[in-house]
Amino acid sequence: ETGVTQSPTHLIKTRGQQVTLRCSSQSGHNTVSWYQQALGQGPQFIFQYYREEENGRGNFPPRFSGLQFPNYSSELNVNALELDDSALYLCASSYEPSGRYGETQYFGPGTRLLVL
Amino acid sequence: KQEVTQIPAALSVPEGENLVLNCSFTDSAIYNLQWFRQDPGKGLTSLLLIQSSQREQTSGRLNASLDKSSGRSTLYIAASQPGDSATYLCAGISNDYKLSFGAGTTVTVRA
Repeated sequence: ETGVTQSPTHLIKTRGQQVTLRCSSQSGHNTVSWYQQALGQGPQFIFQYYREEENGRGNFPPRFSGLQFPNYSSELNVNALELDDSALYLCASSYEPSGRYGETQYFGPGTRLLVL
Repeated sequence: KQEVTQIPAALSVPEGENLVLNCSFTDSAIYNLQWFRQDPGKGLTSLLLIQSSQREQTSGRLNASLDKSSGRSTLYIAASQPGDSATYLCAGISNDYKLSFGAGTTVTVRA
């Protein structure tokens, strides 16, 4: 157990809808990162938040947005869902954003999103 | 941009055999490299983290090496067990602070 939780565990939406996924980080972790993992592939970095500010973004369109709250919870919002958005969405938390200090990221179990 | 490749994509071995999983990366200026385990439909469990100043890390039956000059990391699992069956992912962090993952190696250990 990493202490990182995500909700819901599974979700089915239709194309064009909007979805909000939630993550609860370990207490004291100021950094949360979100990843998208398509079937049979490695996770792809969506964005990272540090102390409630966006701290880096991967190659994802603006319809992917996020929020981080002071209580160590965060959200991933996806607007105008497309079929290709079907994937496992993972959040990961850590104390600091940089990996240079040997900082590991602790992953939640993920939310599996299916877009029909 | 960091590109990570894992070979082979899948591996099947009899119980007791040693496992060797390979990972290559393009940006030698990585800060650290991590190996993760993922069970079907589950999240990621961190196995080993090797900082850029280190050459290897060990935990129980697991040993991971890092060669920045050649852009390679190898995960060794000694005396494999059926419970080792999972997908193993390697990921590197560079100065953009994000983990760049390979596609993984799916391991099956036959009893």
